[in-house]
Amino acid sequence: QVQLVQSGAEVKKPGASVKVSCKASGYTFTGYFIHWVRQAPGQGLEWMGWINPNSGGTNFAQKFQGRVTVTRDKSTSTAYMELSTLRSDDTAVYYCARAGDAQFLDYWGQGTLVTVSS
Amino acid sequence: DIQMTQSPSSLSASVGDRVTITCRASHSINNYLNWYQQKPGKDPKLLIYAASSLQSGVPSRFGGSGSGTDFALTISSLQPEDFASYYCQQSFSSPFTFGPGTKVDIK
Repeated sequence: QVQLVQSGAEVKKPGASVKVSCKASGYTFTGYFIHWVRQAPGQGLEWMGWINPNSGGTNFAQKFQGRVTVTRDKSTSTAYMELSTLRSDDTAVYYCARAGDAQFLDYWGQGTLVTVSS
Repeated sequence: DIQMTQSPSSLSASVGDRVTITCRASHSINNYLNWYQQKPGKDPKLLIYAASSLQSGVPSRFGGSGSGTDFALTISSLQPEDFASYYCQQSFSSPFTFGPGTKVDIK
């Protein structure tokens, strides 16, 4: 069965970076894009960007450009999202999700809580 | 960027009620509209993709309609497990924006 398993919760200080992993199983990793979505406490969903695991190509929302790096390791079927220069308003649950045809998100990871606090 | 709006932002309903949530895009997105359900503390679950296609395993009481800029999610007979938040998302063009969400709770 398709599964996306994310790394555990993180606590970071303002200005630091965080790297979240998303390990895929149960399907061909290079056959589907991986998207990243975040959700601040009590707020809605915010789309961040995607990676094409086959080519490594990426696309991000403008507000994250320059601060986010998404990579993948095809040998371990794992995608990584690194967010730098963290601020308190980056405190959120970060989700990875597999994208089906037409980029709908059909399988989601369990989420990784990133807390930014001094 | 394409902006997504949803209405209402919240609603109270009873088991067995028919519920409709609407979603509007700021520009035409053809039928590139998806609906997700999220329960507290859980990851979102895909309900409807391409405006009206039911995701595998989703009960048939969920239905989607619309094209262009105006869309709707309908729950034909609300069940206890349907009390949750619902989000629309456009996947027509990047950034693939979400609507602000609609919270459905028990009357």
